[in-house]
This record gives sequence, structure tokens and C-alpha cells, in this order.
Amino acid sequence: EVQLVESGGGLVQPGRSLRLSCVASGFTFDDYAMHWVRRAPGKGLEWVSGVSWNSGTIVYADSVKGRFTISRDSAKNSLYLEMNSLKTEDTALYYCAKDNDFWSGFFDYWGQGTLVTVSS
Amino acid sequence: DIVMTQSPDSLAVSLGERATINCKSSRTVLYSSNNKNYLAWYQQKSGQPPKLLIYWASTRESGVPDRFSGSGSGTEFTLTISSLQAEDVAVYYCQQYYNSLPITFGQGTRLEIK
Repeated sequence: EVQLVESGGGLVQPGRSLRLSCVASGFTFDDYAMHWVRRAPGKGLEWVSGVSWNSGTIVYADSVKGRFTISRDSAKNSLYLEMNSLKTEDTALYYCAKDNDFWSGFFDYWGQGTLVTVSS
Repeated sequence: DIVMTQSPDSLAVSLGERATINCKSSRTVLYSSNNKNYLAWYQQKSGQPPKLLIYWASTRESGVPDRFSGSGSGTEFTLTISSLQAEDVAVYYCQQYYNSLPITFGQGTRLEIK
């Protein structure tokens, strides 16, 4: 059974940093691209970032480019999102999502999410 | 960026009736070299993560009931629920992955029981 378990969310002040983690199980982690998608309160889904199966392709939404860094560790079956210079508009539930392939761009499994609140 | 626009924003349908949600993209998501539409549909129930329903515009994900179907091509797409069940109450999103940079979603359509 595929499982994606996020952690690392919390309350943080604007301008500070936070690191999200996602531990994957139930599939061969190295064979699939992975992504972060968020949902702000009262808003819809927003794709944040993605990393290909071999980390050869890494892409970001313009809203987080230069502030967020995605990475993956195959030894730990884990995906990360390093978030710096956080803004109030980064407040959201952050989901880890498994790509359908090496890089297809759609997501066949999602975690339950970890909540990030940016507030002073 | 490819902008995805769904209609309506909310919808109330009686149990057993048909529900139809539309999605328009600002540019084509049909890739001519393989004749595939890079369009997916997701269902998000309250308090749960999104669930993949349809990909390549019309391919149903394994385990998804056959009352869910996707259609359309190019820039106009439709998600149809042929006979609404109580458990179908959710927000539905379309998503394009044609030009993966960035991947974009529609704003969502809230489906309720009338």
C-alpha cells in the first residue's frame, strides 16, 4: 500500500524558515517524480514544486522560486521542502504527492498534508 | 502559464441525477505528436487529500467507479457523474500537465446534494 506521510509544519513568523519532510513507502521511490502541492485556507490547489525521479529536473512555481528548495533522499525514501523567507501568503496545508511516472505531471497518491501557518 | 477555468463554481444535484462540471484551458493541452490531452481530474472530500479520478482527459484511475467519466479535447473538457451518490459530495478540480512548468489547477467546483 502506498503511503506518504508529511511532517514539519507549524507556526512560524514571517521571514523565518521551515523544513517539510515526506516519508514514502509501498512503492519504489527512485522510480517516480515527486511533488509538493498546497491549499491555502479558502482557496484551491496550487502546485508548488516537483523533482524528477533522479533529481535531474527540479521546478518551482514562480510564487516560491528563489525561496523554496525541493530535494529527495533515496536512502531514506524521503522528499523535502526547505522553505525560507516565509510570507503570510505561504500559509497553507502542504501535500506531498507522487507522480504517476518518472515525470508525467499528474499525481496518483497524496499524503494527508502538513499545516504551515506564517504569522507574527 | 496555462490558466484553467472551471464552471460552475458550485453545483447542487439530486441523488441519482447527472452532474456535469466543465473545465476550459487558456491554451490547448492536446499534444499533437501523441494525440493525448494532458488533463486530469481530482476529487477532494472534506478533510481528505485530493484523489485522482481521471487522467489523459478520459482514462479512469483504477478503482474509480464507472459513473465517473471524462471527455473533451484541446481546450474544453467535462467531468460527468452519471448518477450522483451521496459519497460524491466534494470539491472537484481539473489540472493540466501539458506544459509542466507550471502545472496548474482549476479553481475547483463544489458539488452538493440538492
